[in-house]
Amino acid sequence: AQKVTQAQTEISVVEKEDVTLDCVYETRDTTYYLFWYKQPPSGELVFLIRRNSFDEQNEISGRYSWNFQKSTSSFNFTITASQVVDSAVYFCALSGSRLTFGEGTQLTVNP
Amino acid sequence: KAGVTQTPRYLIKTRGQQVTLSCSPISGHRSVSWYQQTPGQGLQFLFEYFSETQRNKGNFPGRFSGRQFSNSRSEMNVSTLELGDSALYLCASSLGPGARGTEAFFGQGTRLTVV
Repeated sequence: AQKVTQAQTEISVVEKEDVTLDCVYETRDTTYYLFWYKQPPSGELVFLIRRNSFDEQNEISGRYSWNFQKSTSSFNFTITASQVVDSAVYFCALSGSRLTFGEGTQLTVNP
Repeated sequence: KAGVTQTPRYLIKTRGQQVTLSCSPISGHRSVSWYQQTPGQGLQFLFEYFSETQRNKGNFPGRFSGRQFSNSRSEMNVSTLELGDSALYLCASSLGPGARGTEAFFGQGTRLTVV
């Protein structure tokens, strides 16, 4: 069975702070994909990143960066210099025959 | 290119009624998956359709069903609605079947309220 755990239910920061969202996963598959999605109040899940299990290189995209560590089954997401527009629920997900989502982390960035 | 379109956006139904939700995937995408999102259970997989065939089904009762048409548009139906069916129903579109390696693009969802 696959499982994704996002231990942080809610995080509140002040604008310009850096924030890291944690994601830990469980799978028996040797090949798998990990995703992060952002869900703003409008409800749509916005795709942020996909990473396959063979590629442990960290990735940076603007203010976003991702740290994938297979040894600890973690795929953490960092937002640098957070902005109010980053406020949303963030989901980590693991692929098998379907996407298995974590519980989500509600991020609130205060001005 | 147009994104995933779900209709209607909001729906209020009475217990015992049935409801049909619609999803139009991104042009060229042949896979459509449905998810239910509730505060208590989070995001849960309902089913996936690819080329008009159901490829995968989540752990939901038979009251939840779906279908896919030849143009890849999909509908899901819930019969004999219960209060617990109140949720945001999200549709995801992707190029190929399954979630492996392919990004799923989501619609804005249909917010169903059962009273």
